[in-house]
Amino acid sequence: RKEVEQDPGPFNVPEGATVAFNCTYSNSASQSFFWYRQDCRKEPKLLMSVYSSGNEDGRFTAQLNRASQYISLLIRDSKLSDSATYLCVVNDYKLSFGAGTTVTVRA
Amino acid sequence: ETGVTQTPRHLVMGMTNKKSLKCEQHLGHNAMYWYKQSAKKPLELMFVYNFKEQTENNSVPSRFSPECPNSSHLFLHLHTLQPEDSALYLCASSQELPLRLSGANVLTFGAGSRLTVL
Repeated sequence: RKEVEQDPGPFNVPEGATVAFNCTYSNSASQSFFWYRQDCRKEPKLLMSVYSSGNEDGRFTAQLNRASQYISLLIRDSKLSDSATYLCVVNDYKLSFGAGTTVTVRA
Repeated sequence: ETGVTQTPRHLVMGMTNKKSLKCEQHLGHNAMYWYKQSAKKPLELMFVYNFKEQTENNSVPSRFSPECPNSSHLFLHLHTLQPEDSALYLCASSQELPLRLSGANVLTFGAGSRLTVL
């Protein structure tokens, strides 16, 4: 089983829609979690950190389910600029990356 | 300059060439990393340095040779690479290693060096 697994997508959604996707992790001792976004041919940039049950930042909400070992990212009122690949990162005393979920928001 | 800067941004080299990638961080961080990113695959950790001492070598072939002269600079020396080594090489830094629950282990990435080996 991979340490961090993500649905690769792509998720194609219209502007204004809500989109959500999950990231599962294998190590139950994982301490903290991060969502990074990576635009095409650019570097990953931190979107959100998750240390407890979840976090919310504007239109973005991350939720952690330790019992089922997954974190989710929900994007409300999608904008064209939200089109990117979203990387899930898990800290179990090392940082393990998922392969990313691609989201495309269309006009 | 601010953040993490990488040079060159693009590099094309033959299998017999020797080249180097350079990374510099202006964030006052103590830990620096090299990652390899290939299409549709997760980032692969290659090397980790903490206070300029190597703390992790993730079974990387010896044709990749890192160098960390100080906490702000990191190099990746390349020698006799293979075509399958073509990828985006990302440098990153963090205030400290991800050894505990802390916001200080958040990574800041450079823009990457896109390497093509012919």
